[in-house]
Amino acid sequence: GENVEQHPSTLSVQEGDSAVIKCTYSDSASNYFPWYKQELGKGPQLIIDIRSNVGEKKDQRIAVTLNKTAKHFSLHITETQPEDSAVYFCAASWGIPTNAGKSTFGDGTTLTVKP
Amino acid sequence: DSGVTQTPKHLITATGQRVTLRCSPRSGDLSVYWYQQSLDQGLQFLIQYYNGEERAKGNILERFSAQQFPDLHSELNLSSLELGDSALYFCASSVTGQGTDTQYFGPGTRLTVL
Repeated sequence: GENVEQHPSTLSVQEGDSAVIKCTYSDSASNYFPWYKQELGKGPQLIIDIRSNVGEKKDQRIAVTLNKTAKHFSLHITETQPEDSAVYFCAASWGIPTNAGKSTFGDGTTLTVKP
Repeated sequence: DSGVTQTPKHLITATGQRVTLRCSPRSGDLSVYWYQQSLDQGLQFLIQYYNGEERAKGNILERFSAQQFPDLHSELNLSSLELGDSALYFCASSVTGQGTDTQYFGPGTRLTVL
């Protein structure tokens, strides 16, 4: 089955700095890579996703890059703010051949942005 | 607010007991997923339903079962509870249930087994 490794497990940055979280996956059939943000006491919320036919996607201060050859993808947050402090999860899933939406999640990165 | 609702928010019970967690998907979503989040194990996929039928199974124990009803809400039944079953249980929903679907998560049910 799919295995997703996420690094680092904790990350502390100063407000205004950039943060980068990296994930690697094992199953070359995976073709959908979402990133979730989980704030304390809440469920994970999708913040950005990328599909295997795209190498990079950006949404304001958040960007995701995908290297299918190396089987890794990364989340980049620029100009970090205290409200970016949360746990971030990457995930990998595939749509064929079973069409099952089974996702494998990384273990999470706790991001702390210091004012 | 994702549009996915889960009840109850908190549940405290004893070992050996049985509980039922409920999930209502977003309007229009046909697929429901259940996840377990323990402190030391991250998010573990348990099971997925699509339009009432089981579609994919993950690391779900035999003591656990789920179903999706005609109105598309889903229930996760946990029986013969053990201390190690204490965790957050999340439900998510998506439109078609395919791997490239965006999943929308509910707020979770925190289960404590004493």
